Amino acid sequence: GDSVTQTEGLVTLTEGLPVMLNCTYQTIYSNPFLFWYVQHLNESPRLLLKSFTDNKRTEHQGFHATLHKSSSSFHLQKSSAQLSDSALYYCALSDPPGGNYKPTFGKGTSLVVHP
Amino acid sequence: EAAVTQSPRNKVAVTGGKVTLSCNQTNNHNNMYWYRQDTGHGLRLIHYSYGAGSTEKGDIPDGYKASRPSQENFSLILELATPSQTSVYFCASGDRLGGSQNTLYFGAGTRLSVL
Repeated sequence: GDSVTQTEGLVTLTEGLPVMLNCTYQTIYSNPFLFWYVQHLNESPRLLLKSFTDNKRTEHQGFHATLHKSSSSFHLQKSSAQLSDSALYYCALSDPPGGNYKPTFGKGTSLVVHP
Repeated sequence: EAAVTQSPRNKVAVTGGKVTLSCNQTNNHNNMYWYRQDTGHGLRLIHYSYGAGSTEKGDIPDGYKASRPSQENFSLILELATPSQTSVYFCASGDRLGGSQNTLYFGAGTRLSVL
């Protein structure tokens, strides 16, 4: 079945430094959908960005990610971390139509940005 | 913006009691999901549904039942609640049609404590 592996546990950064959270995946499908969800404290997860196009950069709210099918990766990046970026981040994969109905989530990466 | 409403938001139950968590979505999405979230485990899928009348087991279905009586409503039922089921439960909806690529929209969550 599908699987998603992301930077596990806690990532601690100083404000202003770049952010990179890794995500790699495995699937039998050549055209999966990849997602990053963000969950702030005491909130529910919400979509941050998504992609299904190979080698195309997707951006939202200062974050960006590029789906690289050759390496099965969808890393999340930001050039300069802000205190408000402190949150739990999930990478997820969804099969294309014809595949499984259930998305596959990574275990989550907790990002803490300090002054 | 997709709307997913969960009730109750908080629940305290006794061991051995029956608990029903409700979820309603007004987006006409075909797919609905129940997750639980525990520190160190991320989001774990309990049950899901791809349409009214259907329910499927997720990754951790033991001790839980689900019911999807209509497109809008999806319930999670704990027939005999145990302390190990103390957790935060999220309902989500999504659809692979219309280009949404099964983006998930989460409810606000239900915090369940089983004493």
